[in-house]
Amino acid sequence: EVQLLESGGGLVQPGGSLRLSCAASGFTFSTYGMSWVRQAPGKGLEWVSCISGSGGSTYHADSVKGRFTISRDNSRNMLYLQMNSLRAEDTAVYYCAKDRSVLSSFDIWGQGTMVTVSS
Amino acid sequence: QSALTQPASVSGSPGQSITISCTGTSSDVGSYNLVSWYQQHPGKAPKLMIYEVSKRPSGVSNRFSGSKSGNTASLTISGLQAEDEAHYYCSSYTSSSTLVFGGGTKLTAL
Repeated sequence: EVQLLESGGGLVQPGGSLRLSCAASGFTFSTYGMSWVRQAPGKGLEWVSCISGSGGSTYHADSVKGRFTISRDNSRNMLYLQMNSLRAEDTAVYYCAKDRSVLSSFDIWGQGTMVTVSS
Repeated sequence: QSALTQPASVSGSPGQSITISCTGTSSDVGSYNLVSWYQQHPGKAPKLMIYEVSKRPSGVSNRFSGSKSGNTASLTISGLQAEDEAHYYCSSYTSSSTLVFGGGTKLTAL
């Protein structure tokens, strides 16, 4: 069964850091681009970051550029999002998603992990 | 990158057809056939319904169809059913090598 399972969410103070993880199974992980998409409480979807299958190319939304870093470990079928200098507006459910290519469409989603930035 | 423009809400009676629009610019929807549509029920992860403007993933009902004209993409649901009631989001690749979502549309089945 194709599955994505996020972890690492929680409560963090403004200016703090957090690393999200996403464990992939059921497909050839290294073949596909992967993205993080977030959804603030009661709001719509916002694409955050994308990484190519090899990990050689990364893309970030302007809202997180310079603060967030996406990475992957294809030997462990793991996707990561390192989040630094967190702000209140980063509060959201963070989903990892399998891309059909790179920045195209997301056919598999995880269940999401909640990140709350508050003092 | 500004979000794509979708109506906040649409509604229809069971059995009817409804269309949700998604308006972008020549830097996203108008230049690339990389428009997707997602369905999201409350408390659930989004589900891919349409990709590359008009293609349906395996398992998605053929009541769902997509199209594009100029800078505007559309999702049509025919034979509306109660379980179609959800939020729908469009997305598009952009010329800045990013991806942008629409603000979302709440579909109510009357």
